[in-house]
Amino acid sequence: GAVVSQHPSRVICKSGTSVKIECRSLDFQATTMFWYRQFPKQSLMLMATSNEGSKATYEQGVEKDKFLINHASLTLSTLTVTSAHPEDSSFYICSAPKPTGRDTEAFFGQGTRLTVV
Amino acid sequence: LAKTTQPISMDSYEGQEVNITCSHNNIATNDYITWYQQFPSQGPRFIIQGYKTKVTNEVASLFIPADRKSSTLSLPRVSLSDTAVYYCLVGVSNTGGFKTIFGAGTRLFVKA
Repeated sequence: GAVVSQHPSRVICKSGTSVKIECRSLDFQATTMFWYRQFPKQSLMLMATSNEGSKATYEQGVEKDKFLINHASLTLSTLTVTSAHPEDSSFYICSAPKPTGRDTEAFFGQGTRLTVV
Repeated sequence: LAKTTQPISMDSYEGQEVNITCSHNNIATNDYITWYQQFPSQGPRFIIQGYKTKVTNEVASLFIPADRKSSTLSLPRVSLSDTAVYYCLVGVSNTGGFKTIFGAGTRLFVKA
């Protein structure tokens, strides 16, 4: 079954509104989660690192005021796309690292398809 | 984080073995090599991870030469459902979590 759950799987919103996407680790605690954006036929682009109890770390070129990240608990990180515009339409994916025996494996959510109209 | 280079796309037929090679010339001593599979409109799924030599699990094998500057994902007897994008990632794996940076990936198309 899923280890990381993302909700909603798809959302359509009007320009200027805000959309919140949730990422939950289901059977483990994640002090760190990662948010990615993926445009059609392109690879995943890391947007930010979500840190439980502290501020998120954003990658270069990602507007922190537009993509608000909150990691209020050890199992939940949220990404809020504020004042969404059509160019924000994309596939958003979260991941959380989970220790698996000797190593750590990154588990990904199922993704959220955002369409801004 | 080491940069990776993979073929953009590959074609194969059902039942064949597929080998996808990834170059990572500046891999660091602590870096692990991990391969993910992604279907359209889904999050990536872990396939296999290794550090050196050969690793095998129920779905794939990973071959890593001694210099670790490249790695080859081997998919035995592919089926149509193996059509997907395959990503090779290089990074540090530790209990503190690691930042996963994706390269362009390889689009594998399996034909009947």
